[in-house]
Amino acid sequence: AQSVSQHNHHVILSEAASLELGCNYSYGGTVNLFWYVQYPGQHLQLLLKYFSGDPLVKGIKGFEAEFIKSKFSFNLRKPSVQWSDTAEYFCAVNAPIAGTYKYIFGTGTRLKVLA
Amino acid sequence: DSGVTQTPKHLITATGQRVTLRCSPRSGDLSVYWYQQSLDQGLQFLIQYYNGEERAKGNILERFSAQQFPDLHSELNLSSLELGDSALYFCASRVGENSPLHFGNGTRLTVT
Repeated sequence: AQSVSQHNHHVILSEAASLELGCNYSYGGTVNLFWYVQYPGQHLQLLLKYFSGDPLVKGIKGFEAEFIKSKFSFNLRKPSVQWSDTAEYFCAVNAPIAGTYKYIFGTGTRLKVLA
Repeated sequence: DSGVTQTPKHLITATGQRVTLRCSPRSGDLSVYWYQQSLDQGLQFLIQYYNGEERAKGNILERFSAQQFPDLHSELNLSSLELGDSALYFCASRVGENSPLHFGNGTRLTVT
């Protein structure tokens, strides 16, 4: 079955540290890829998206993600995190499965940034 | 503000009761999705509607049902509530099959 894996469930970093959150998906066809962020007590917000073209996409708040097709990966990065980046991050894949587009989320990664 | 409106924000009810959660999608969005988010199970897809018709079902219990009305708003009905149904329920919408989902602020359901 198609799935999205986020291997890091909890990440703790100090401010100014670099961040990389892993996301791998299992689907061999064309996909659209997304990262969402959920701040404490809030709803999911779109951070960035990949549809086609340059595999390095830039999103809001200094985040970027790289699509590596050969590795079925779409890792999220930020060079220097801030305390305000403390949140849960979800990777998602949108792909045509059995005649309809399915939106599949990973299990999320909780990031805590220490001031 | 995502443009997706959910009401109510909070709901506290007793076991065995029935509640209705409401969602108004972004203007122009035909697809509505419902998700349940709890601490132990994460974000679980419940059901999807497209222009009034059910499109896909996820981990939705038989005690739960949903529908999308001609004006495209959607309602999620939860009945015979159990303590384990306490969770955040999110609605999301999107304009087309390739578009990103936009989430509402959620309804926090507490079953006592």
